[in-house]
Amino acid sequence: QQQVKQSPQSLIVQKGGISIINCAYENTAFDYFPWYQQFPGKGPALLIAIRPDVSEKKEGRFTISFNKSAKQFSLHIMDSQPGDSATYFCAALRIGGYNKLIFGAGTRLAVHP
Amino acid sequence: DTGVSQDPRHKITKRGQNVTFRCDPISEHNRLYWYRQTLGQGPEFLTYFQNEAQLEKSRLLSDRFSAERPKGSFSTLEIQRTEQGDSAMYLCASSQRLGSAGELFFGEGSRLTVL
Repeated sequence: QQQVKQSPQSLIVQKGGISIINCAYENTAFDYFPWYQQFPGKGPALLIAIRPDVSEKKEGRFTISFNKSAKQFSLHIMDSQPGDSATYFCAALRIGGYNKLIFGAGTRLAVHP
Repeated sequence: DTGVSQDPRHKITKRGQNVTFRCDPISEHNRLYWYRQTLGQGPEFLTYFQNEAQLEKSRLLSDRFSAERPKGSFSTLEIQRTEQGDSAMYLCASSQRLGSAGELFFGEGSRLTVL
């Protein structure tokens, strides 16, 4: 059962452009939605996270938009840079449980100079 | 380095052999997780420890898999009678106590190749 669906599978963006990755979840008990960034040969690392009581969170060039009624959230990377080229995973969990993250399938982002 | 460390980073084995992976979490973290990641997929939850207690196991964790965390410190993940389908990256993660933001800190993984 795929609880977190992520799209697109891959994304190519020109330097300076906006990268947009979308996720949808099924379990309304989820109350914490992080995005993880993974470079080749490395483990995933937390990039930015949001709770469902806010509709948007911004940290530098990275913004999460959250639509609770639609059970969807997205990551926007403004002014995308070649150094942003990585695989991005959305995830969800229910705080108060075991903090067990459920991951999406990932989006491989390539930012071309 | 005070991050999560995993050993070995890469293991090649023949089908039917046993393999063991070790994870050393961040020292003050009492929660430890094992995930499996196959090519092109997101990490899939395998099992969770709070201190030395194994509190949850995924159905992905067949009876050939066993994990331990003696004394609530490092953890081992053993796979017996390996199969080609076990080829994957095995990721370990740790986190702080309940009430934290839920951030998991991942190691760099142990890549298993079963020939």
